[in-house]
Amino acid sequence: DAGVIQSPRHEVTEMGQEVTLRCKPISGHNSLFWYRQTMMRGLELLIYFNNNVPIDDSGMPEDRFSAKMPNASFSTLKIQPSEPRDSAVYFCASSSLTGPRIDTQYFGPGTRLTVL
Amino acid sequence: GENVEQHPSTLSVQEGDSAVIKCTYSDSASNYFPWYKQELGKRPQLIIDIRSNVGEKKDQRIAVTLNKTAKHFSLHITETQPEDSAVYFCAASKSGNQFYFGTGTSLTVIP
Repeated sequence: DAGVIQSPRHEVTEMGQEVTLRCKPISGHNSLFWYRQTMMRGLELLIYFNNNVPIDDSGMPEDRFSAKMPNASFSTLKIQPSEPRDSAVYFCASSSLTGPRIDTQYFGPGTRLTVL
Repeated sequence: GENVEQHPSTLSVQEGDSAVIKCTYSDSASNYFPWYKQELGKRPQLIIDIRSNVGEKKDQRIAVTLNKTAKHFSLHITETQPEDSAVYFCAASKSGNQFYFGTGTSLTVIP
């Protein structure tokens, strides 16, 4: 398996622009998590899905952030409009709700976002 | 909700010595406790985990212990090597739910 796939790996944009981050979870996994990591705030959970349904989005900073999971193999995190304080590394992780490795989260390589 | 505390925040050891990182959690219903290693510029990677029905688990130089009564768990790295230098995160969760991560320990192994 290729593991969790994220795109793009790097994104540089200007304040006010829309940014869309993409994630493909590990095949067969049915939980997906979006995290943001900065030096100041560490690793923060933004939102997670079980079976494509958002379970907890209390970590989403504000209405500028939205996330979708239209099917089991794809999720997006959108920021509109972007601001410089959104600059961070965004990780996607996936896990399975069943099986011998239940609950173990596997992280993607991350998207490094810079908002100028 | 769950609250996970991790100590120390930084740790320096001589190569070959042991390193111990400790975490406490607050929710007695938590039943899964993974440890992740994150090298600079890389993703967090699982190095070992333990479930609440087990008290100790070992994988070569790495071991984790869990004390459910006291609600704490620890990571032990023996015979440390320079490549062990990284940030280590503990986490606690209930099955099917989110992870609650500790704030991380930056480990430096001095050659």
